[in-house]
Amino acid sequence: RKEVEQDPGPFNVPEGATVAFNCTYSNSASQSFFWYRQDCRKEPKLLMSVYSSGNEDGRFTAQLNRASQYISLLIRDSKLSDSATYLCVLTRGGSNYKLTFGKGTLLTVNP
Amino acid sequence: DTEVTQTPKHLVMGMTNKKSLKCEQHMGHRAMYWYKQKAKKPPELMFVYSYEKLSINESVPSRFSPECPNSSLLNLHLHALQPEDSALYLCASSQGPAGGVPDTQYFGPGTRLTVL
Repeated sequence: RKEVEQDPGPFNVPEGATVAFNCTYSNSASQSFFWYRQDCRKEPKLLMSVYSSGNEDGRFTAQLNRASQYISLLIRDSKLSDSATYLCVLTRGGSNYKLTFGKGTLLTVNP
Repeated sequence: DTEVTQTPKHLVMGMTNKKSLKCEQHMGHRAMYWYKQKAKKPPELMFVYSYEKLSINESVPSRFSPECPNSSLLNLHLHALQPEDSALYLCASSQGPAGGVPDTQYFGPGTRLTVL
């Protein structure tokens, strides 16, 4: 099983749609979880950290299920500017420095 | 302000050249990182500095030589690179060991390197 698995997409959705991304991980020792977004030819930018209790930031909701080793990102009321690659990222077990990146899910929001 | 700056934005170099990439942050972060990213792939960790000391080298070839002159600066010296080293080189920083969990990494805009 790969360390981090994400559906690569692409996801093509109309403006205003709700879209959900899922990510599974294999190392139960991972402690910290994040969603980053990366625009074409740009750097990854932190979207949100993911906490066990689940957390929300405006139109974005992240959830973590440690028992199932699964994290998710829900985007409501999609905007054109949400078009990007979404990276599931977590710390490798035993190290807060080493991040494991998923391969990313490409989202295109269409007018 | 979560800003990490990198220079140059673009670099073209020959296989015999020596060049350096620079990274700077003024967030008081004590951990700094170099990553390499190829097209359509996620970033790959190269080096980690913690409190200005090299703490992780992910078996990177010696033609890449990192340097941390002070807590705000991180350099990557390049020498005798190969065409397959062409990639986006990203610098990142985080609060480090005292920052608690999660220790969030913030990325600079990267240097797009082409080796001819």
